[in-house]
Amino acid sequence: AQTVTQSQPEMSVQEAETVTLSCTYDTSESDYYLFWYKQPPSRQMILVIRQEAYKQQNATENRFSVNFQKAAKSFSLKISDSQLGDAAMYFCAYGLSELIFGQGTTLQVKP
Amino acid sequence: DTGVSQNPRHKITKRGQNVTFRCDPISEHNRLYWYRQTLGQGPEFLTYFQNEAQLEKSRLLSDRFSAERPKGSFSTLEIQRTEQGDSAMYLCASSPAGGFYGYTFGSGTRLTVV
Repeated sequence: AQTVTQSQPEMSVQEAETVTLSCTYDTSESDYYLFWYKQPPSRQMILVIRQEAYKQQNATENRFSVNFQKAAKSFSLKISDSQLGDAAMYFCAYGLSELIFGQGTTLQVKP
Repeated sequence: DTGVSQNPRHKITKRGQNVTFRCDPISEHNRLYWYRQTLGQGPEFLTYFQNEAQLEKSRLLSDRFSAERPKGSFSTLEIQRTEQGDSAMYLCASSPAGGFYGYTFGSGTRLTVV
């Protein structure tokens, strides 16, 4: 079965510090895409960062970067210089067209 | 471009009634997806369209659920004979063909079945 596991239901970080959210997935496919989405409370899902599975180089978008380990089927998200606006639920997902999502990690940012 | 639009935002219905939701995708996007999200969980795939063709349906999509996308523009999701277990947020998303760009999500329709 295709699954995504986010083992940290909740995480907390001090403003301006760095936090890493973990994600592992299980698939027999060799070609797919990986994503992190952010869902603020009562607001819509927003794409944070994306990665092509065939690319070795880890994706970076401003303060957001990933550590993609294809053999280990791991796709963690690092948020540097955390800001209050980063507080949200974060979902890891993978797929080609249909995406499989994890259960989410709620990130709290403390001032 | 106003993004992905979903209507209504909230719907309260009595068990056994039929409900219909509408999604207007980004006009240049030819793929449209429906997902269901329950509180504290990640979205679960229901179905997706490429243009007007429904290409994939989840086993979660019982025969009480039907989706259409006439003319490849907006889409509707209908739930017949609603049950309390149907209470959830129904999310619509769209994307260009090819999966790398990821989805643009709408704000969702929250369904409460009483």
